[in-house]
This record gives sequence, C-alpha cells and structure tokens, in this order.
Amino acid sequence: GDSVTQMEGPVTLSEEAFLTINCTYTATGYPSLFWYVQYPGEGLQLLLKATKADDKGSNKGFEATYRKETTSFHLEKGSVQVSDSAVYFCALEGGYNKLIFGAGTRLAVHP
Amino acid sequence: DVKVTQSSRYLVKRTGEKVFLECVQDMDHENMFWYRQDPGLGLRLIYFSYDVKMKEKGDIPEGYSVSREKKERFSLILESASTNQTSMYLCASTLTSGGSYEQYFGPGTRLTVT
Repeated sequence: GDSVTQMEGPVTLSEEAFLTINCTYTATGYPSLFWYVQYPGEGLQLLLKATKADDKGSNKGFEATYRKETTSFHLEKGSVQVSDSAVYFCALEGGYNKLIFGAGTRLAVHP
Repeated sequence: DVKVTQSSRYLVKRTGEKVFLECVQDMDHENMFWYRQDPGLGLRLIYFSYDVKMKEKGDIPEGYSVSREKKERFSLILESASTNQTSMYLCASTLTSGGSYEQYFGPGTRLTVT
C-alpha cells in the first residue's frame, strides 16, 4: 500500500543553518503531497503542498519540490530560526480525502 | 479561519472505562477524521466520516467506535479503555470539493489510561 518514509530525528541545528528533511513515498499514481508542522502543544497545520510532478510548494521560507523520478518531497529552508522548532510531517493524499503520514521529524533549533 | 475544537486537552481514565472524545468543527466540512499519534509512528487513522451518520474504518479501528449525528460533530468512543490506548488523539476535518485535501486539525487530547 501507499506509504511515506521520513528521515529520523531529532534534527538539531543552530540558528541560521540550512535545513533539509528528507521524505520519500510509495504510491500508485501521482498523489498530492504535503508537509504539516506541529508546534509544541498544538495540532498539526499545513505548511505547504504540491499537487503534481515538478510543482514547488513554499511557505514561510520553507520549500519542497515534487520529484516523481525519485519519489521524493524533501523539505528545505535556507536559514532556520528558533521559532521553527517543531515536529514536521510529510504526507500524501491516499484517496477519499484521506492522508497518509510519515513518522514525523523533530527539529530543534538553538540560538 | 477554520476552527476545530476538541473537548479536552488532557484526560485520565481507568482501564475498562467507556471514554468519549468530542470534536467540533465550525466550517461546514463534510469529512472528519480521528487519528492517534504515537512517537515514531506518526499519525494513524482510526475512523473517518464523509457525511452525517456515515463512518468508515481507518487503519486501526479495533477497540474504537465513532458517532456522527450532526455534521459539525464527530465523536470517538473507547468502549472499554485499555492501557495500550494511552496516546494523543487528533481530530481533523476537510472539504470534499476543490481537490484541496487540506485537513484542519484540532489541538489534540492526550489520553492516559491507568
């Protein structure tokens, strides 16, 4: 069945460092892909999405490009801030408006 | 702004108790979902509903049931709570139209079963 694999965390970075969180997927067809973020004590919120191959989603300085040849949707940010500390989830659309999530990657950014 | 609210942020129950978790959304969304979130496992779908009185099993429905009597409200029921149901429970909702698939989440209920 469809699935999402994310790099294990935690990822620990200093402020202003470059961030990459890897995400690969297995799916039939070309599902929409998402990154969600969960700040401490909160539910998940959509960070960005891409609906077809080669689309780039972007928001708040984060970017991810839908790569069908490598079945990947890696999350990147050029300069992280302490306020970016959170858990990041990669997800794909699994039909019937369902989402299939990866295990999540915790990011900790230190001053 | 879409708002999804959950009845409790923290809940402590005893083994064997019947537990109700309530979720309400205010944006007239057709679809609603219940997930549990456990470290290293991400979010796993328990049940979802695409209309009033309709329900579908997700990936891990055992030990749970749901109720959707009104469009805005989706309840998760633990018939007889067990310690392995200690978890964070997240509710979400989404529109069916527009192909957006963006799910809006509530803040979660952290349930501890002792």
